[in-house]
Parts: sequence; structure tokens; C-alpha cells
Amino acid sequence: GQNIDQPTEMTATEGAIVQINCTYQTSGFNGLFWYQQHAGEAPTFLSYNVLDGLEEKGRFSSFLSRSKGYSYLLLKELQMKDSASYLCAVRDRYIPTFGRGTSLIVHP
Amino acid sequence: NAGVTQTPKFRVLKTGQSMTLLCAQDMNHEYMYWYRQDPGMGLRLIHYSVGEGTTAKGEVPDGYNVSRLKKQNFLLGLESAAPSQTSVYFCASSYFGLVSDSNQPQHFGDGTRLSIL
Repeated sequence: GQNIDQPTEMTATEGAIVQINCTYQTSGFNGLFWYQQHAGEAPTFLSYNVLDGLEEKGRFSSFLSRSKGYSYLLLKELQMKDSASYLCAVRDRYIPTFGRGTSLIVHP
Repeated sequence: NAGVTQTPKFRVLKTGQSMTLLCAQDMNHEYMYWYRQDPGMGLRLIHYSVGEGTTAKGEVPDGYNVSRLKKQNFLLGLESAAPSQTSVYFCASSYFGLVSDSNQPQHFGDGTRLSIL
């Protein structure tokens, strides 16, 4: 089985930087995904890590350490539209399992 | 390009009624999934399929059945609805073939909001 842990809620200020952590314990590992989900909408893909290190995509970056079972999503220059839930998903071989998600609230 | 389409978008049922949720994808994906999402619980996998004619149980399969008669369609059935099945249901699909494709994410439908009274 898999155990995936994320903080339930975080708050930050517009223009700031926020880091959302995800820790996991899995029997196998074949990639970690981050998704963004706005209230009432479907999740949308943000980033993918399978090797250790940092992947950067514009204002969003994701880091992975396989030996520590740890990932984080870094959001820079926060905007109000970044208020959403952020879902960490770990794939064992073929099937991803999702954490409970982190609700990010961005204040002016 | 429609992507993943779920029907219906909303439905209210009475306890004991049955219904089928339809998911259709036009991306030629092999893998399809049904999740339910409840407040504070994240996305939990109900059933999934790795190809036409195959299905498998996920984390919370009880009370649901599925069928994948055609590659593009994945049906989720509730034979006798219970109030505990009130939830938002998401269908997703993904491509997973060669190792070089391992970074392909899941594509989600817009969800079906189901209330059971």
C-alpha cells in the first residue's frame, strides 16, 4: 500500500513564495505528479518527477528526493488565481495514488 | 479536442435506485480510472482499467461495478445507491506504454456531482 501525507491548508500573501510538501511511503515508486484543482473543477496537471532533483516550469517548480520519500511544490510570485488545492500523486508501477491535497489560500 | 467527457454532470437519486455514469475519452488512452472525491479525503480510486475488456478494483470498490467494452468508454454503475455514495465522481484517462511515455499525466473529466437522498 501507499501512505501519502500533505498539509491540509496553507495561507500566503500575493507576490510571496510558498512551498507545499508531500511525503510518501510506497512499496514501489514510478513517478510523482502534482496537480492543481480549483474549487468545483477538475484537477489539472502541473509537474512530474521521477528522478531526484528540481524540475522548473515558469513560476512552478517541483523537487523530489526518492531516498527520503519527499517532494515539494514551490510556487513563486503568488497570484490570487493560485488559490486552489494542490494534489500530490505517487505512482507505484502503473496506478497513481493521491494524497488528500493541500488547500492554498492567497491573500492580497 | 474534447478530452475526457463525463455524463451526467449532476444527478439526484433516492436510496436503492440504480444508475450508470458514463466516461468517454478521445485520446486513444489505454488506462482509465474512476475516483470519488469527498471533503477532506482527496481522490480515492474506485476501479480502473488498463485496456479494453479489463477492469480491476481500486481502494474503495464496494457498491460499484464497472465495464470497459470499448477502449474509449468506461462505465461506472451503482446497483443500489446508498447515501454514503453521495460524492463527486471523476473519471480520468492516461497513456502509459513505453518507458519514454512515463511522464504522461492523467487527464480528468469535469466530474459528476451525485446526491443520494
